[in-house]
Amino acid sequence: EVQLVQSGAEVKKPGESLKISCKGSGYSFTSYWIGWVRQMPGKGLEWMGIIYPGDSDTRYSPSFQGQVTISADKSISTAYLQWSSLKASDTAMYYCVRHSPGYAFDIWGQGTMVTVSS
Amino acid sequence: DIQMTQSPSSLSASVGDRVTITCQASQDISNYLNWYQQKPGKAPKLLIYDASNLETGVPSRFSGSGSGTDFTFTISSLQPEDIATYYCQQYDNLPEFTFGPGTKVDIK
Repeated sequence: EVQLVQSGAEVKKPGESLKISCKGSGYSFTSYWIGWVRQMPGKGLEWMGIIYPGDSDTRYSPSFQGQVTISADKSISTAYLQWSSLKASDTAMYYCVRHSPGYAFDIWGQGTMVTVSS
Repeated sequence: DIQMTQSPSSLSASVGDRVTITCQASQDISNYLNWYQQKPGKAPKLLIYDASNLETGVPSRFSGSGSGTDFTFTISSLQPEDIATYYCQQYDNLPEFTFGPGTKVDIK
């Protein structure tokens, strides 16, 4: 079964760092782009960026450039999304997604809820 | 940047009704448009890709059409399990993948 399994919910304080993960299985992890999508509470979907695990080529939405870092470790089929200094406005559900060859997001992780509160 | 709009923002319909959602792009995006369904508390799911192609395993009551700037998503006969928010998404301006604001569908 093709799936993406994300790490569990996180509760952090403003200013703390965080790295969440997304492990792919059931397919060739290095052959598909992996993206990240943010959904703030009660709001819509926002695309954050993508990475090609085969060569770590990474692209960011202008809205998220410099705010987060996307990385991948192809040896363990895992992609990451990290923050160096969290803000309360980073509170959201974060989904990792697999990009099909036709650029649709065909596989979604279950989501990781990140709560940032003092 | 390409902006996406959807209408209506929400709708309420009866079981068996035909439901139509429209999505408009701020510029020509050819057929580079996908549709997703997000049920409450769940991750989104791909329903339609490249404007009109049904993803494998998706019921045939769902369909999509359009090209250029105007697109339509249709549920031919609304079922109780179709309660969800539906999002369009463009991918013409790679690597930007812009979502529409969503349309919430309820049962009347």
